[in-house]
Amino acid sequence: DGGITQSPKYLFRKEGQNVTLSCEQNLNHDAMYWYRQDPGQGLRLIYYSQIVNDFQKGDIAEGYSVSREKKESFPLTVTSAQKNPTAFYLCASSIVTSGSPEQFFGPGTRLTVL
Amino acid sequence: QKEVEQNSGPLSVPEGAIASLNCTYSDRVSQSFFWYRQYSGKSPELIMSIYSNGDKEDGRFTAQLNKASQYVSLLIRDSQPSDSATYLCAVNPQGGAAGNKLTFGGGTRVLVKP
Repeated sequence: DGGITQSPKYLFRKEGQNVTLSCEQNLNHDAMYWYRQDPGQGLRLIYYSQIVNDFQKGDIAEGYSVSREKKESFPLTVTSAQKNPTAFYLCASSIVTSGSPEQFFGPGTRLTVL
Repeated sequence: QKEVEQNSGPLSVPEGAIASLNCTYSDRVSQSFFWYRQYSGKSPELIMSIYSNGDKEDGRFTAQLNKASQYVSLLIRDSQPSDSATYLCAVNPQGGAAGNKLTFGGGTRVLVKP
């Protein structure tokens, strides 16, 4: 089955720890995205990548880092510099062709800081 | 002014009635518009995309786009309890000049009462 997988589903972090969220897709999509969703709010873009070995900051990149070493994978690291990391993290992907910016989402990772 | 605005709701609709959701956007050159459905605790699911002025129908869903007035709407006909969810409006800003980035509204919560 083609799709986007995220792991883990739930993640608990202690203060001062870095944690890495996994996102993998087998849709052969070029572009991948990370969003953060807080309760009762919409999605805010953290980072995105349109090609391997290249990525750009979104609207709320501070305290986060990413890598894009493979087309299929776009892991997100939540660093200790992110002061309020408790949120629902969503990974998405899309093809990169003009006029087709539909994004498809993985199931999400819910991160809680203890 | 937010880039993409939606009434947060909840929009309460009797079963079998039409639910009407509205979304306004600020970027005049936006060309692509999307509606996502998000059940509580789950990730967003793409239900409609629209690119041209007018109506686009898909089953019980109709998306309406008016670029001159900068709004996009979603109608859900014959609403069912299973339609109870949060509906997110998303816009590809800058006419696609920013790549495939999407800007999301805060979502409208819909409650369909039997």
